[in-house]
Amino acid sequence: DTAVSQTPKYLVTQMGNDKSIKCEQNLGHDTMYWYKQDSKKFLKIMFSYNNKELIINETVPNRFSPKSPDKAHLNLHINSLELGDSAVYFCASSRRVAGPVKAGLDTQYFGPGTRLTVL
Amino acid sequence: KNEVEQSPQNLTAQEGEFITINCSYSVGISALHWLQQHPGGGIVSLFMLSSGKKKHGRLIATINIQEKHSSLHITASHPRDSAVYICAVSGNQFYFGTGTSLTVIP
Repeated sequence: DTAVSQTPKYLVTQMGNDKSIKCEQNLGHDTMYWYKQDSKKFLKIMFSYNNKELIINETVPNRFSPKSPDKAHLNLHINSLELGDSAVYFCASSRRVAGPVKAGLDTQYFGPGTRLTVL
Repeated sequence: KNEVEQSPQNLTAQEGEFITINCSYSVGISALHWLQQHPGGGIVSLFMLSSGKKKHGRLIATINIQEKHSSLHITASHPRDSAVYICAVSGNQFYFGTGTSLTVIP
């Protein structure tokens, strides 16, 4: 069974459209992440949720909105898509670390990525 | 200047060679991660460490907190090790290196 899954794998859309990418993990983890990898293969964290609570929100346009209906899911909704949004988006999850909530303090498991192309 | 610097950017090795990839960082961290991104795009977490040394099969990762430096070593390299290796640090924020592209030639 896939530990961290994302749908869709590929997404091609027109500028100005609204789209969502879904992420699900079956590892029982409490923390989930969204990353963006640009055309130069540079990874950057966008958001992190711990048990449905937002704990990291990097400088990301308001057009990007994460939604966590439960701790196994973290979806990414993007409004008014722009050409610069074209990238590969990775979802990941990790266990919660005891003590103060600090994302990234445990091994992360990555989804297969969603390649978004905005035309 | 990036908070996490990796070297080299590109590396080509013959099968069987010992490989070292370096990572230096300039911020305070709680943990350092080594990730492997396969040619197909998938990302796998290899190590997470906050001190000392960890070993998994032919891979060894070390970190020197005082010098803010980590190394990833691959012993007896194999063509299947060909991938991009990414160093990342976490603390109050996340920072990623730009990756080291490794090609191991049979």
